[in-house]
Amino acid sequence: SQQGEEDPQALSIQEGENATMNCSYKTSINNLQWYRQNSGRGLVHLILIRSNEREKHSGRLRVTLDTSKKSSSLLITASRAADTASYFCATDAINSGYALNFGKGTSLLVTP
Amino acid sequence: EAGVTQSPTHLIKTRGQQATLRCSPISGHTSVYWYQQALGLGLQFLLWYDEGEERNRGNFPPRFSGRQFPNYSSELNVNALELEDSALYLCASRRTGTNEKLFFGSGTQLSVL
Repeated sequence: SQQGEEDPQALSIQEGENATMNCSYKTSINNLQWYRQNSGRGLVHLILIRSNEREKHSGRLRVTLDTSKKSSSLLITASRAADTASYFCATDAINSGYALNFGKGTSLLVTP
Repeated sequence: EAGVTQSPTHLIKTRGQQATLRCSPISGHTSVYWYQQALGLGLQFLLWYDEGEERNRGNFPPRFSGRQFPNYSSELNVNALELEDSALYLCASRRTGTNEKLFFGSGTQLSVL
């Protein structure tokens, strides 16, 4: 069953703009992770934020986590055409048996 | 260091047949996860193997099964294939007993005709 739900489903922006994707989840978590998928192939890990953290940065990525609202956001600053991909949030729910639960993803298109 | 490898890349079967998909984890990783990614449905958790044992499975019928070998590679078997089994099957690995990031293979695209 899906634990995380990303919003929006699709996002189209121009190079240089910022892209924001949101994720909501249902149960208590150990951590939340964001992944990227190019052209329907394997996923690549972007960033992990633990339940006791509120914000984390990695290069042009900024992730926030609000456990009271059970939500997270991924901000990509100064987007590039190469950022075009699908982005998934994944939650490591407490009592999930270490199985990450993924949402359906946000499809990001960055045009030159 | 080699990443997670999956084979075959593509697999075409007909309804009722059986499919076998293979996965080799990153060296040192003993936990292997299988996910199904059907069109429009995101990633659905299938199975988790660790230290040779099945530790958890998702909401899939028993015709989805697998195993993990002593070298920690894994096999996913899908029996009595149905059209809706057509999907990208992704394998991922990580070190045992952690809730850290997963390393994914490139997947096997299974088409059931």
